[in-house]
Amino acid sequence: EIVMTQSPATLSVSPGEGATLSCRASQSVSGNLAWYQQKPGQAPRLLVYGASTRATGIPARFGGSGSGTEFTLTITSLQSEDFALYYCQQYNSWPLTFGGGTKVEIK
Amino acid sequence: EVQLLESGGGLVQPGGSLRLSCAASGFTFSSYAMSWVRQSPGGGLEWVATARGGGSNTYHADSVKGRFSISRDNSKNTLSLEMNSLRPEDTAIYYCAKAYIRDYTYFGSWGRGTLVTVSS
Repeated sequence: EIVMTQSPATLSVSPGEGATLSCRASQSVSGNLAWYQQKPGQAPRLLVYGASTRATGIPARFGGSGSGTEFTLTITSLQSEDFALYYCQQYNSWPLTFGGGTKVEIK
Repeated sequence: EVQLLESGGGLVQPGGSLRLSCAASGFTFSSYAMSWVRQSPGGGLEWVATARGGGSNTYHADSVKGRFSISRDNSKNTLSLEMNSLRPEDTAIYYCAKAYIRDYTYFGSWGRGTLVTVSS
């Protein structure tokens, strides 16, 4: 099983600032990585797939990068609606696995 | 518009059984992989099972293998999860999730979830 590790667990950011979230895989997942955003009481929402391709309707301030074992989700100029939980997920091999999440909170 | 509506959750005793259903609409159901993903209270996301579009290929997490079984009825646009020998650690919100693209196993649409509570 591929273990996905996200860091930091919590990120405190002021509105308008940028945020960088990290996701590390215990072995290579090539570019088969997705990022999701989840708000309290809601289902997750797909942000990025293929490590760097934004899903339909996702604002350009969300950017994904990386390959192999190291991945990054960058959010430029955080808006109020961006404060949420973020998860990475590998789909390179079974079982599909998620990271433990990064909470982006208002500083 | 894609819609996924889960049902069948509830309170069940340890060792009991439950069958979850997901009614899908707004897309060609048979063309997409469908999955169940769960989230324990206050916890993270855990993939449970996936059924490819054709339905013949299914995959299950080790934590549920032999106890849970995913299936789909493409004629009724319905995804199911048969859950047996339930344990307290199976307590979670169970989401039905649709592949973003065909049989790729990342999730572009999610239902609202159905809560399963395993407790005596």
